[in-house]
Amino acid sequence: GDSVTQMEGPVTLSEEAFLTINCTYTATGYPSLFWYVQYPGEGLQLLLKATKADDKGSNKGFEATYRKETTSFHLEKGSVQVSDSAVYFCAFEGYQKVTFGTGTKLQVIP
Amino acid sequence: DTAVSQTPKYLVTQMGNDKSIKCEQNLGHDTMYWYKQDSKKFLKIMFSYNNKELIINETVPNRFSPKSPDKAHLNLHINSLELGDSAVYFCASSQAIGQGAMETQYFGPGTRLLVL
Repeated sequence: GDSVTQMEGPVTLSEEAFLTINCTYTATGYPSLFWYVQYPGEGLQLLLKATKADDKGSNKGFEATYRKETTSFHLEKGSVQVSDSAVYFCAFEGYQKVTFGTGTKLQVIP
Repeated sequence: DTAVSQTPKYLVTQMGNDKSIKCEQNLGHDTMYWYKQDSKKFLKIMFSYNNKELIINETVPNRFSPKSPDKAHLNLHINSLELGDSAVYFCASSQAIGQGAMETQYFGPGTRLLVL
């Protein structure tokens, strides 16, 4: 069945470190892929998206590339800030339904 | 102005009680959703409504009954609350349904339910 697998958290990094959060998916066809971010005490917000193979989504310094051959959509940022501390969710959109990963908590320390 | 609002923000109640969570969106969207996020942050869709009609019902116990009086509101009523119902419940809305809906999906701030 459809599923999203994310790396287990929490991930703890120092400020200005490089971030990678891995995400792979299993789905029928070629779904649109998304990263959502959830800041403490808030709902989810769309961070970035990619709708077809080799598309790169980017926002706020975060990037992710839709890799059809490896069914992956890894999230990266070159230099994280304390304000990036949040839970990050990988997701894809199938027919009338969204499947989320389990979320990866990121903690950035000064 | 808040786009998607939920009330209450926190709800603490005893096992066996019946409670409701309300959701309202002022975005003019046609589709609304309820999600459950457990203590491990796992987020799972429960229901979706499009123009007051049920579209998705994801194997949720029938103790959970969504009600949509109009397309701007989707309330969640829970009967006979159990310990395992403790979670954060998120309401969301989107302009579309199906492919493309996620690109316009807005989440509420969540309702933190604790069943004692």
